[in-house]
Amino acid sequence: NAGVTQTPKFQVLKTGQSMTLQCAQDMNHEYMSWYRQDPGMGLRLIHYSVGAGITDQGEVPNGYNVSRSTTEDFPLRLLSAAPSQTSVYFCASSPPHRQVPNTEAFFGQGTRLTVV
Amino acid sequence: AQKITQTQPGMFVQEKEAVTLDCTYDTSDQSYGLFWYKQPSSGEMIFLIYQGSYDEQNATEGRYSLNFQKARKSANLVISASQLGDSAMYFCAMRRGSTLGRLYFGRGTQLTVWP
Repeated sequence: NAGVTQTPKFQVLKTGQSMTLQCAQDMNHEYMSWYRQDPGMGLRLIHYSVGAGITDQGEVPNGYNVSRSTTEDFPLRLLSAAPSQTSVYFCASSPPHRQVPNTEAFFGQGTRLTVV
Repeated sequence: AQKITQTQPGMFVQEKEAVTLDCTYDTSDQSYGLFWYKQPSSGEMIFLIYQGSYDEQNATEGRYSLNFQKARKSANLVISASQLGDSAMYFCAMRRGSTLGRLYFGRGTQLTVWP
């Protein structure tokens, strides 16, 4: 089972460049999220989606865009990369917890991004 | 405002001993869920255990148990019979009933198990 697939696993960008981090899940989950992980900060929510066509901002949305045209895919776009966006990025998905209350979020393997 | 607090940046435990990792949370929701994830040095996030706010029994999964004290808003993870492979970062997280699909994470506790 593929689960949640993130690509690429590693990326180096120059300041000002743009790029898209890809996330795909094959579990038909309605909820998908993007987090960034920085040392000593835990995981912080960037953007999330509760279904195709519906997205919303999390704690740290500045500098990032998302869209959700299908249930399976939830790409994260960096518009103009900055060194402050150097981080590890995780995509996660889960079914609606009102249907499956005790289900966990399933995480991708992460993308390590360095902006120089 | 920090909704999940993990006060132990690092913990050390000897192999085969038990260890408790602390987690307190803050929410006014009546319905919420609490999770623990493990992140080994390889970086992936591994789900360990879940506790619902209405669950009357403490959750258990093998060597993991969750000491849920609702009035104190604490959800401590207990690992029994520690193994060297338990060395990892551990995150406590909360899903509030009013915020669909979002997880709030603590800053994590780095656990080191020594022989």
